[in-house]
Amino acid sequence: NAGVMQNPRHLVRRRGQEARLRCSPMKGHSHVYWYRQLPEEGLKFMVYLQKENIIDESGMPKERFSAEFPKEGPSILRIQQVVRGDSAAYFCASSPSQANTGELFFGEGSRLTVL
Amino acid sequence: GQNIDQPTEMTATEGAIVQINCTYQTSGFNGLFWYQQHAGEAPTFLSYNVLDGLEEKGRFSSFLSRSKGYSYLLLKELQMKDSASYLCAVDNTDKLIFGTGTRLQVFP
Repeated sequence: NAGVMQNPRHLVRRRGQEARLRCSPMKGHSHVYWYRQLPEEGLKFMVYLQKENIIDESGMPKERFSAEFPKEGPSILRIQQVVRGDSAAYFCASSPSQANTGELFFGEGSRLTVL
Repeated sequence: GQNIDQPTEMTATEGAIVQINCTYQTSGFNGLFWYQQHAGEAPTFLSYNVLDGLEEKGRFSSFLSRSKGYSYLLLKELQMKDSASYLCAVDNTDKLIFGTGTRLQVFP
């Protein structure tokens, strides 16, 4: 039973390029959460999605960042025109229902480095 | 506002007991989680408290006082492999809000 799968695990981009991070939730999970973690810091909530719906994007920067969770396929976190400050680990987590009814299961993370 | 505080770093000796505290002030509360995260790895679930009191699970226990906005994680019989970051997270009704984490170093 595969866990939460994220790819790529490591991504290097130059300033101004685009980064696309993918997340496949655990089988049977329909709720996806994206978190960002800077070195030596905690997890910062970015966005919460269900299939084809953004439920809460209060942690997403207003510009350059977008997320989707289509009916078919993985959830995508897209960062346009990356800057050095976007360098971080981006973790995806899934749950079978809302967070208040259970734990989140995390992927291994995607580590973005912007040169 | 949302505020979750934990000590940044702690050290302890193999075989000892360590208590990691967490205080929180959040706009919503549906329970408190503790996660363990080894360097470069994914956070993994340790415990969940929604009612006041102590939850024990093997060497790990977690305590919650909702009236005080306070929780702690107790680790007994420490092992070297317990060296990791311990993240306190509050269920804020539709998402988990994490503290900055406590980095625990266990020495022989």
